[in-house]
Parts: sequence; C-alpha cells; structure tokens
Amino acid sequence: RKEVEQDPGPFNVPEGATVAFNCTYSNSASQSFFWYRQDCRKEPKLLMSVYSSGNEDGRFTAQLNRASQYISLLIRDSKLSDSATYLCVVKLDRDDKIIFGKGTRLHILP
Amino acid sequence: DAGVTQSPTHLIKTRGQQVTLRCSPKSGHDTVSWYQQALGQGPQFIFQYYEEEERQRGNFPDRFSGHQFPNYSSELNVNALLLGDSALYLCASSRYRDRHEQYFGPGTRLTVT
Repeated sequence: RKEVEQDPGPFNVPEGATVAFNCTYSNSASQSFFWYRQDCRKEPKLLMSVYSSGNEDGRFTAQLNRASQYISLLIRDSKLSDSATYLCVVKLDRDDKIIFGKGTRLHILP
Repeated sequence: DAGVTQSPTHLIKTRGQQVTLRCSPKSGHDTVSWYQQALGQGPQFIFQYYEEEERQRGNFPDRFSGHQFPNYSSELNVNALLLGDSALYLCASSRYRDRHEQYFGPGTRLTVT
C-alpha cells in the first residue's frame, strides 16, 4: 500500500458547486497533514494545514480522521480559479519525512 | 521580499553528463529541501539541508548529491544522468522549526536526451 494515496481525478465540477476529495495515508505515526495546490506547470503552494479538530479557511474546509487514516478537502462555491491539482502531504513523526501524494486534478467548468 | 529562486529554469543534457541546479531560499529561511517531480506525479523528496549538512534523504541513489552554503543557498548535483532523470526539480525552503511549511521555487525543468 502506498504511503499517501489520492484519487487522481480529474474531477469536473460546475462553477458554484461543492466538491470534496479525500487522501488516505498508511502510516499511523503520521504527525502532520497539509493540502498544497499546484497549478499547471507551476510550483506547489501551501493551501492549508489540517488540524485534528478540522479547520476552515474561507471556502475551504479540511478535516482529519485519524481512526480511518484519511484527510479531506471540501471546496464550497467553487470558482474557475480553483482549477488546479491538489496535493495531499503527510509528515511522518518517526523521521520527519514529508511525503506528497500524486495529486487530484480539479477542473471547474463554466 | 524575494521568494525562493532557482536556476536555471530549463536545462537539456545528454545521458552520462553531470548537472548542477541552484536554489536560493526565501529570506529568513534556513532549511532547503529538494524534490523531483515527474510528469503526472507528486513531488518525490530527494534530501534536506540544514546548517550545511544533509539531514534527511529520500530513496534516491548516490548519483544525487547536494550542498548548502553559509548563506543557506543550496545546490543539487546529479551525476551520470539517465533518461529517467528528466523531471521538474523543485527546491523548497522553510525555517527549520517550521520545516513542514515549505515554500517552493518555480523549479528547474531538466530534460535528458
């Protein structure tokens, strides 16, 4: 089983809709979790950290489920500018290693 | 406030050659990590430098080596290039105490022919 797994998509979603995608991780010693966003042919950028209690930043909500070992990202009222690849990132407690998933591609349709 | 910068932006090399990529971290950052990103894949961790020492290393062969300078800038060296080394090489900087919050540079796209 891969350490971090994401549905590659693409998710094709009409503008204004709500979309959610998950990321599963295999190592229960995983300590910290993040979502990064990567636009086509650009560098990844930190979107948000994921806290145990869940957290919200505007239209974006991140949740962590340690029991089932997954994190989720919910985007409400999606905009055309949300089209990008969303990378799930896990930081392992044992050795501080940071592991990226392969990403989920999101296309917001006008 | 300059962000992370990398040079060159693009590079074409032939098999067997050696390449050096450079990275300057964001102001105030002291830690530099290097990643390889193949097309359609997520970034794969190569190694991380702090206080001019390699602190962590991913699953990459010894052909991949690096260096960090006193001004925190860093180089990635790849020897005996293979076709499979063609990828986007990303540098990310952070503060060591917050090294999970990384800021990426625009990357160097390496093509090996």
